[in-house]
Amino acid sequence: AQSVTQPDIHITVSEGASLELRCNYSYGATPYLFWYVQSPGQGLQLLLKYFSGDTLVQGIKGFEAEFKRSQSSFNLRKPSVHWSDAAEYFCAVGAYNQGGKLIFGQGTELSVKP
Amino acid sequence: DSGVTQTPKHLITATGQRVTLRCSPRSGDLSVYWYQQSLDQGLQFLIHYYNGEERAKGNILERFSAQQFPDLHSELNLSSLELGDSALYFCASSARQGPYEQYFGPGTRLTVT
Repeated sequence: AQSVTQPDIHITVSEGASLELRCNYSYGATPYLFWYVQSPGQGLQLLLKYFSGDTLVQGIKGFEAEFKRSQSSFNLRKPSVHWSDAAEYFCAVGAYNQGGKLIFGQGTELSVKP
Repeated sequence: DSGVTQTPKHLITATGQRVTLRCSPRSGDLSVYWYQQSLDQGLQFLIHYYNGEERAKGNILERFSAQQFPDLHSELNLSSLELGDSALYFCASSARQGPYEQYFGPGTRLTVT
């Protein structure tokens, strides 16, 4: 069965430091991968997506993610974190043979220290 | 703003009651997905409609049902509510069927007392 694992429940980084959030997936075919961000009391906002092609994808708010098939990973990165990046981040895989539903990881909560 | 609207924003009701959550997708989007977000289960897919037809079901209880109307808005009906149904319910829309990007509404927070 398809699944997504985000190994880190909570991460704290200092403002201005670099960030990497980990995501591992289990999926038989070529995965459609997404990162979403959820601020408190808000809906989920799409940061970036990967369908095929270049394995390094750029998203909004200065985020990027790299697809590594050999490691079944799709890690999210940002070179310099801002206090406004504090939120919960979700990695998801799109299940093509199940109506296109998204299967989400458990989320990583990001705190930013001043 | 994703362009997906959900009403109401908050809903407080008692056990055994029935509620209806409403979703309007982004203009032109034919696919509507419903998800439930709770602390213990995380984000779980409930059901998917495409252009008025049910396309896939996930972990949706028999007490829950949904439909998509000709104007493409969707409603999620929750009946015989239990305390454990308290959660955030999200609607998402997509322009096409398949595992493509989905745009989420702000959610409806349901509290069952």
